[in-house]
Amino acid sequence: SQKIEQNSEALNIQEGKTATLTCNYTNYSPAYLQWYRQDPGRGPVFLLLIRENEKEKRKERLKVTFDTTLKQSLFHITASQPADSATYLCALMGAGSYQLTFGKGTKLSVIP
Amino acid sequence: KAGVTQTPRYLIKTRGQQVTLSCSPISGHRSVSWYQQTPGQGLQFLFEYFSETQRNKGNFPGRFSGRQFSNSRSEMNVSTLELGDSALYLCASSGSAQSSFSGANVLTFGAGSRLTVL
Repeated sequence: SQKIEQNSEALNIQEGKTATLTCNYTNYSPAYLQWYRQDPGRGPVFLLLIRENEKEKRKERLKVTFDTTLKQSLFHITASQPADSATYLCALMGAGSYQLTFGKGTKLSVIP
Repeated sequence: KAGVTQTPRYLIKTRGQQVTLSCSPISGHRSVSWYQQTPGQGLQFLFEYFSETQRNKGNFPGRFSGRQFSNSRSEMNVSTLELGDSALYLCASSGSAQSSFSGANVLTFGAGSRLTVL
């Protein structure tokens, strides 16, 4: 069956360091992979999208990689700040589907 | 432009009752998706609508239903509420000029409707 796994439920990191979050998937052949941020009591907010033929995508302090051979995406936040503390979700769509499926998320805490 | 609006934001019901949640998508967005979010299961897909047609349905019992109107506004209904239905219900809209919905479609979520079933 199709599965999306975000390896860490929670990740604590010191301010200023680089946070790296992992998203692994099985039984998908996604053309795209998305990352969202969710703050408590609010809906997820889109951050980045990466296509299967892109190895890396950057936006300000954010970087996403996509390895379709390993079936893995890595999400990096450089120079992390306490304001980056949130839950980060990866999402995929299966072929021929109108459904965007989310991983359970990784709760990131950036400690001052 | 206005975001995705969900009403009500909070509601409390008792077991056996039914509930209707409303979602107004971003103007011009024709696709609306609904998700249930609980601490244990994360975000789980309920259904997706485009031009008043349900195109995909998640693995939920028939007590969960939805519809979309000609102005793209959507409602979902849960009948015969159970304790386990307590959750944050999220609506998301997606802008697409085409009928296809690919993984490139980015979802814009509302703030959600927090349902508590007692």
